Amino acid sequence: QVTLKESGPVLVKPTETLTLTCTVSGFSLTNARMGVSWIRQPPGKALEWLAHIFSNDEKSYRTSLKSRLTISKDTSKSQVVLTMTNMDPVDTATYYCARILTDYGDYYFDYWGQGTLVTVSS
Amino acid sequence: SSELSQDPAVSVALGQTVRITCQGDSLRSYYASWYQQKPGQAPVLVIYGKNNRPSGIPDRFSGSSSGNTASLTITGAQAEDEADYYCNSRDSSGNHLNVVFGGGTKLTVL
Repeated sequence: QVTLKESGPVLVKPTETLTLTCTVSGFSLTNARMGVSWIRQPPGKALEWLAHIFSNDEKSYRTSLKSRLTISKDTSKSQVVLTMTNMDPVDTATYYCARILTDYGDYYFDYWGQGTLVTVSS
Repeated sequence: SSELSQDPAVSVALGQTVRITCQGDSLRSYYASWYQQKPGQAPVLVIYGKNNRPSGIPDRFSGSSSGNTASLTITGAQAEDEADYYCNSRDSSGNHLNVVFGGGTKLTVL
């Protein structure tokens, strides 16, 4: 049974750094053609892909946020960590981690965590 | 702004067929995948690849693609299909490792 669970602070202050952890089970972060992505959703708005990391440690970041994001994984702990620096109130959102699969060159997200709401406020 | 375009809202009468569309240049190179999201819940994958349904997704959901447009069709819409639907694909401009999402379509079942 594949599960993903996000953890991290529910409230951060402007200019602080957000650190979110995704703990996975039911699959290994070393499995080929798999990875973990972070996706966020501001209240009442659309999904927004942030970053992903694959089993071969290949990483990619949303272009507009690239300077603020870092994604990493600890295979032994089955965890993927996302850090986002210089948080701003517009970063208030529900942050999801999701398993990303590659299939004939396409990407899709087959399992999602429940999401964690992060509010940025002083 | 989203790199894939979706109509903000669509409605369908109970039991009828509805098509939700997604447009973008990346769809000329990659298939879209589709997600259903109900209020307060995480998205659920309903269609991926050419027209594949994950286990547990009813066969009334189907996908198709032509040119720069991908479509999600619900044949015989049910009340429980009322939700937001999002498309996504790989990005074909710039970094092909990146992912793009549509702005979402709110489906109302009348």
